[in-house]
Amino acid sequence: GNSVTQMEGPVTLSEEAFLTINCTYTATGYPSLFWYVQYPGEGLQLLLKATKADDKGSNKGFEATYRKETTSFHLEKGSVQVSDSAVYFCALIPGGGSNYKLTFGKGTLLTVNP
Amino acid sequence: NAGVTQTPKFQVLKTGQSMTLQCAQDMNHEYMSWYRQDPGMGLRLIHYSVGAGITDQGEVPNGYNVSRSTTEDFPLRLLSAAPSQTSVYFCASSQRGLNTEAFFGQGTRLTVV
Repeated sequence: GNSVTQMEGPVTLSEEAFLTINCTYTATGYPSLFWYVQYPGEGLQLLLKATKADDKGSNKGFEATYRKETTSFHLEKGSVQVSDSAVYFCALIPGGGSNYKLTFGKGTLLTVNP
Repeated sequence: NAGVTQTPKFQVLKTGQSMTLQCAQDMNHEYMSWYRQDPGMGLRLIHYSVGAGITDQGEVPNGYNVSRSTTEDFPLRLLSAAPSQTSVYFCASSQRGLNTEAFFGQGTRLTVV
């Protein structure tokens, strides 16, 4: 079946530090990959996505590259801010699927201190 | 824009009680889903719908019922609440098509005592 494994954290960083959250996946075919973010007290929001190998998704200074050879989709940001404190979820839908059936990782709590 | 609206935001139930979690979206999305979020488990799919009158089971459907009589509404029913159903529940909707963005409600925090 499909699965997503991401580093569980929690991750605590100082402002302006570099962020990496690792995500690897297991899926048949060519899945589409997503990062969702959940700010305190809110629902999930799409942060970025990539739908084929070697695609790079980017948004709000965050980036992730779809690596088929390593089945990975690691999230990175060069300089985090306090406002980036949130829970980050890596997710996939299988190739040819639709996103009413997202498979999520367990989430990574990020805390950024001033 | 309201987006996806869930009610109530918080609920405490006694074991054996029933209740309905409401979800409504105003974006004319065909796809809707219910997930539960538990510590250390991420989000798991309970039920989903690809259009009015069409529903199907997800990963963890036991103890829950759904119906989709209109495009806008997708209520989740707990038939006889159990402590194992203590969780945060999220409703999501999206347009028909591949890789479209899923929009989530703010969640319902349910405690079963």
